[in-house]
Amino acid sequence: SQTIHQWPATLVQPVGSPLSLECTVEGTSNPNLYWYRQAAGRGLQLLFYSVGIGQISSEVPQNLSASRPQDRQFILSSKKLLLSDSGFYLCAWSLAETYNEQFFGPGTRLTVL
Amino acid sequence: GENVEQHPSTLSVQEGDSAVIKCTYSDSASNYFPWYKQELGKRPQLIIDIRSNVGEKKDQRIAVTLNKTAKHFSLHITETQPEDSAVYFCAACTSGTYKYIFGTGTRLKVLA
Repeated sequence: SQTIHQWPATLVQPVGSPLSLECTVEGTSNPNLYWYRQAAGRGLQLLFYSVGIGQISSEVPQNLSASRPQDRQFILSSKKLLLSDSGFYLCAWSLAETYNEQFFGPGTRLTVL
Repeated sequence: GENVEQHPSTLSVQEGDSAVIKCTYSDSASNYFPWYKQELGKRPQLIIDIRSNVGEKKDQRIAVTLNKTAKHFSLHITETQPEDSAVYFCAACTSGTYKYIFGTGTRLKVLA
């Protein structure tokens, strides 16, 4: 069966520090991968998605970036965090080539102080 | 760009009553419409979905209807129970891009 992992689960970082959040998927090949941010009491904002290794689509201009160095690994990064980067970050995957259910990871709660 | 509007933002119903959440999408090329339930502190999970070639789909107490002409779709929950209390998100998938655009969510409270 497929599983999706995210780490860390929680993170407190000072403004201006770098960020690296990791997401890995097991049990499937060539998944579509997604990063979302959920602000407190708000909806799911699509940040990045990837349909293959090295293929990244960015949805929102910001100081975040994403990379997909391996088929089932998706990384969200920042060189300098802003206060507004605080939120709940969710990684998700879906089967390639078809519109289908997205499976979400457990999320990372990021607090920027 | 693509947009999905969701209403209401909060909804309180008495246990046993029905709840209806409505979403409107902007991209006429969208052809897949899932609904997710997110309980407090947990990840969103799919509860029902519908594709553009179908007008209605039902799964026990939940149903989704789609009106492609008007570009809106709705979630219907009948005989609500306290465990239905959660935040519900609708989404629209854009044809050819595999993007899922989510609505802003509806916080449903079922009062016992």
